[in-house]
Amino acid sequence: SQTIHQWPATLVQPVGSPLSLECTVEGTSNPNLYWYRQAAGRGLQLLFYSVGIGQISSEVPQNLSASRPQDRQFILSSKKLLLSDSGFYLCAWSALGVRERDYEQYFGPGTRLTVT
Amino acid sequence: DAKTTQPPSMDCAEGRAANLPCNHSTISGNEYVYWYRQIHSQGPQYIIHGLKNNETNEMASLIITEDRKSSTLILPHATLRDTAVYYCTRGYQKVTFGTGTKLQVIP
Repeated sequence: SQTIHQWPATLVQPVGSPLSLECTVEGTSNPNLYWYRQAAGRGLQLLFYSVGIGQISSEVPQNLSASRPQDRQFILSSKKLLLSDSGFYLCAWSALGVRERDYEQYFGPGTRLTVT
Repeated sequence: DAKTTQPPSMDCAEGRAANLPCNHSTISGNEYVYWYRQIHSQGPQYIIHGLKNNETNEMASLIITEDRKSSTLILPHATLRDTAVYYCTRGYQKVTFGTGTKLQVIP
């Protein structure tokens, strides 16, 4: 069965510090991978999605970046965190299917980031 | 526009059916509708999806109108553990999540 891992679970970082969040998926190949952010009491905002190694689409211009160095690894980074970067960061995967019904997403447990 | 519209909150008595509506009036002919739920402080959980026929699984039923402009997620016998935010989404490789409906199941 497929499993998605995210770490760390919680993180407190000062403004201006760098960030690296990692997500890995097990039990599937060639997944679509996604990074979302959820501010307190708000909905999910899609930040990045990837359909393959090195293929990253950015949905919201900001000081964050994403990379996919391996098929089942997705990394979210920042060189200098802002207070507004605080939130709940979620990684998700979906099957790279040819049928539309293959696009249901499965989410990881999330990382709660507090920028102080 | 890939948005969906949902009421911000709903209450449901425990043991009764919870009917959660979603409007997706601009959906294209071959876009699926997906439903997820998010229990506090957890990642969203996939529930069900459909194209134009009604769908049922062990968690819920999905009713899609004939014109596909709206749908309803039905939890047939709501329990306290069904208290969560429910998201209706649409799309292919990427989907847009709105703010969802906060369902409160009342004892």
